[in-house]
Amino acid sequence: EAQVTQNPRYLITVTGKKLTVTCSQNMNHEYMSWYRQDPGLGLRQIYYSMNVEVTDKGDVPEGYKVSRKEKRNFPLILESPSPNQTSLYFCASSLSPGHQETQYFGPGTRLLVL
Amino acid sequence: AQSVTQLDSQVPVFEEAPVELRCNYSSSVSVYLFWYVQYPNQGLQLLLKYLSGSTLVESINGFEAEFNKSQTSFHLRKPSVHISDTAEYFCAVRTTGGTSYGKLTFGQGTILTVHP
Repeated sequence: EAQVTQNPRYLITVTGKKLTVTCSQNMNHEYMSWYRQDPGLGLRQIYYSMNVEVTDKGDVPEGYKVSRKEKRNFPLILESPSPNQTSLYFCASSLSPGHQETQYFGPGTRLLVL
Repeated sequence: AQSVTQLDSQVPVFEEAPVELRCNYSSSVSVYLFWYVQYPNQGLQLLLKYLSGSTLVESINGFEAEFNKSQTSFHLRKPSVHISDTAEYFCAVRTTGGTSYGKLTFGQGTILTVHP
C-alpha cells in the first residue's frame, strides 16, 4: 500500500529536550516536505527536499532541521524545542516538485512542548 | 510569492442545504489549484484539483470548484451537504514555475459544520 508514515503520532516533551520525528514514504517519491498546522493559520511549510541531499527552507524553518540521506526518509529534528513549537506536524511527498500529481500526506504528529 | 485567502473560518449549514467555501489567491505566475479535506483526527486528503482545461472541476462525492482567473478565485461548492461532509477544508495553490517551483501554499482553512 502506498503511504507516508510518521512516528511518533503523539509526543509530549519538555523545553530543550532534542527530538526527532521520522517520516518515511514507500512510493519512490523525489519531493518531500514538512508542514505544521496551527488553528487559524492553515498549513505552513517548514522545510522541503527536492531529492536526496537537497533540502531547502520553507516559510517557517526557525528552530527546525532536516536531513535527506535516503530517498524514502525525511526526518524532522527539533534541537531545542520550545512551547511555540507545540503544533500538529505533517509530512508529505510527491513524485516530483513539478509533477502534476497529488501530494500524499502522512497521518500527522501531534507535539506538545511543556 | 503566492498567497491564499479563505474568506470564512467557519461555515455552519443545515443538512441538505447548499454550501460555498470561498478561496482567493494571489500569484505572479501561473498556478495549479487544489482543495483538500481534513476529517477530524485525520490527515489531509485531496478533494479536487485544477491543472488546466475546463475551469469547472468535480470530485467524486459531489463537490465542485470553478477556477475564475479574472477574479483569482477557486470557490468550492456543493448543492446539498451531508452530515459526513463535516470537516475542515483547505484551499491550496502550487506554482507551475518561478522561484517557488512546486511549493504548495495553503489557506487558513474553513471548518464546515453540517447540522441535522
